[in-house]
Amino acid sequence: EAGVTQFPSHSVIEKGQTVTLRCDPISGHDNLYWYRRVMGKEIKFLLHFVKESKQDESGMPNNRFLAERTGGTYSTLKVQPAELEDSGVYFCASSQEIGPYEQYFGPGTRLTVT
Amino acid sequence: AQTVTQSQPEMSVQEAETVTLSCTYDTSESDYYLFWYKQPPSRQMILVIRQEAYKQQNATENRFSVNFQKAAKSFSLKISDSQLGDAAMYFCAYRSGGGADGLTFGKGTHLIIQP
Repeated sequence: EAGVTQFPSHSVIEKGQTVTLRCDPISGHDNLYWYRRVMGKEIKFLLHFVKESKQDESGMPNNRFLAERTGGTYSTLKVQPAELEDSGVYFCASSQEIGPYEQYFGPGTRLTVT
Repeated sequence: AQTVTQSQPEMSVQEAETVTLSCTYDTSESDYYLFWYKQPPSRQMILVIRQEAYKQQNATENRFSVNFQKAAKSFSLKISDSQLGDAAMYFCAYRSGGGADGLTFGKGTHLIIQP
């Protein structure tokens, strides 16, 4: 069974540009999560999808971040325009629709904004 | 809001020895789960062990065990017979209730295994 995959693994962009991160959850997992780890800080929850619906987006930093999950399969996280403080590692995780809701993590996308 | 604190940025242990990683948390909830995740260098984060708050018995997974002190809001991870493959970042995490909510993480502890 394939795990959670994320693309790209690393992205370097200039301030003001747009970047789109992609996450493919484990097949059949209805729950999909995005997290971010800024250097030296905690991994922070960004949002949670159940299928294609946003269940909880309380962790999204601001309206420069847009997450989508059309069709309830893969998800994208777009940052537009990117700022220096957006640099960090963005993790995606997925879990089944039934308990214990163990979250399986992807390898992360390292985003560097210069 | 819940918070998770890992006060040890880095720990070092000799191979085959035992090491304990500390984690404390703050919550006003009575129903929650606690987790330890491991992230080896350049690899994905994986779940090491899970503890349900309503269970008094400490969780154990092979060489990994926890010391869950609910009143003290403490959740430490003990790794026995440390192996080189245990070298990783270890994250303590909290989840509300029995649902599929997002996790609240600590800053992590970098565990070094000395051969």
